[in-house]
Amino acid sequence: KAGVTQTPRYLIKTRGQQVTLSCSPISGHRSVSWYQQTPGQGLQFLFEYFSETQRNKGNFPGRFSGRQFSNSRSEMNVSTLELGDSALYLCASRAKGQIDPSTDTQYFGPGTRLTVL
Amino acid sequence: AQSVTQLGSHVSVSEGALVLLRCNYSSSVPPYLFWYVQYPNQGLQLLLKYTTGATLVKGINGFEAEFKKSETSFHLTKPSAHMSDAAEYFCAVSHSPRGSARQLTFGSGTQLTVLP
Repeated sequence: KAGVTQTPRYLIKTRGQQVTLSCSPISGHRSVSWYQQTPGQGLQFLFEYFSETQRNKGNFPGRFSGRQFSNSRSEMNVSTLELGDSALYLCASRAKGQIDPSTDTQYFGPGTRLTVL
Repeated sequence: AQSVTQLGSHVSVSEGALVLLRCNYSSSVPPYLFWYVQYPNQGLQLLLKYTTGATLVKGINGFEAEFKKSETSFHLTKPSAHMSDAAEYFCAVSHSPRGSARQLTFGSGTQLTVLP
């Protein structure tokens, strides 16, 4: 089974621009979560999508948004980029949207490294 | 609220020595606990997890961890370190803020260095 894929792997943008990152979950997985990783703040939860609906959101400004498509692929968008948005953005998928210990495991993609100049 | 504390941001061991990475958690409900490893310029790879059942869990690459509820700990161990174990390790607790939503709260990570 192919793992979680993220595109692009690297991005360079300038302040004020917007960016869209893409994530394809493991085949059959329906839940997709996004995390931001920075040296200063560590790994922080952004949001989770299941069945094209945002189920949960972390403590990030409204400039961070996302969506999920009917095939479970997800995109996240950051508008009006700031220097502090430079980070590794990680996508994770899990099998179901219900609490089930046997499937309640998040599998991560390789990440998209975003640099804001 | 859930939180994870990893004691020691950097740990160095000699090749062949015991690896012990410490993790303590705080959770208002029975926790699901995870250890992930991250190699440079890569994403997170699942090492092992505890959800229910046996408190000693075995993972990949010879790692294991023991869930101790009384100590709120989930320390990661490996009997004999290998050079390829050098990486950053993250402990995480999974919780459900509402309904079927699920999110991970991570510790700050421990960088493991293996000395020849």
